[in-house]
Amino acid sequence: EDQVTQSPEALRLQEGESSSLNCSYTVSGLRGLFWYRQDPGKGPEFLFTLYSAGEEKEKERLKATLTKKESFLHITAPKPEDSATYLCAVQPPGTYKYIFGTGTRLKVLA
Amino acid sequence: GAVVSQHPSRVICKSGTSVKIECRSLDFQATTMFWYRQFPKQSLMLMATSNEGSKATYEQGVEKDKFLINHASLTLSTLTVTSAHPEDSSFYICSARVLLAGAEETQYFGPGTRLLVL
Repeated sequence: EDQVTQSPEALRLQEGESSSLNCSYTVSGLRGLFWYRQDPGKGPEFLFTLYSAGEEKEKERLKATLTKKESFLHITAPKPEDSATYLCAVQPPGTYKYIFGTGTRLKVLA
Repeated sequence: GAVVSQHPSRVICKSGTSVKIECRSLDFQATTMFWYRQFPKQSLMLMATSNEGSKATYEQGVEKDKFLINHASLTLSTLTVTSAHPEDSSFYICSARVLLAGAEETQYFGPGTRLLVL
């Protein structure tokens, strides 16, 4: 069965304290992996799409990487406004559907 | 970037009534849209895939007669919760499949609709 597991469930960082969020998956023939940010009471906001092992993408303080079994979202020198839930989703082959992980709730303290 | 809107953002209704939620792609055409449900502190659960001009494809365990989906145009999909009950109270979010540059794709999400059934 296709599964997506994110860790940790929750993370508290001091402002400027870099860290990484993990997304591991069991999907054969991954079609794509996606990272989203979700603020409370709002819809997810698209961050990155990754397709192949070794691929990396960056946006401001965020960098996403992909291997054959997992993806990392690296947050460099985070600020309080980076506080949110970060969701990972995978797209199995032959479908447009996404399978979402349960997310990592990030809190960055000033 | 592609913008997806939802209306209403919040609705309170009495048990037994029906509620319609609209999902619109504002600056692009969406042949494929998705409807999700999210409970507090939980992830998104896909309810159904909505394709313009054809019947929606529902996920296992989702009652198609309870959650009616219509995708009548390339910019509008609607979800109607029929005979709503308190257990239907949840956060409903729609998304649209978007093709990006270089043959990449993603889903852009609406802001969500909070439904409370009394």
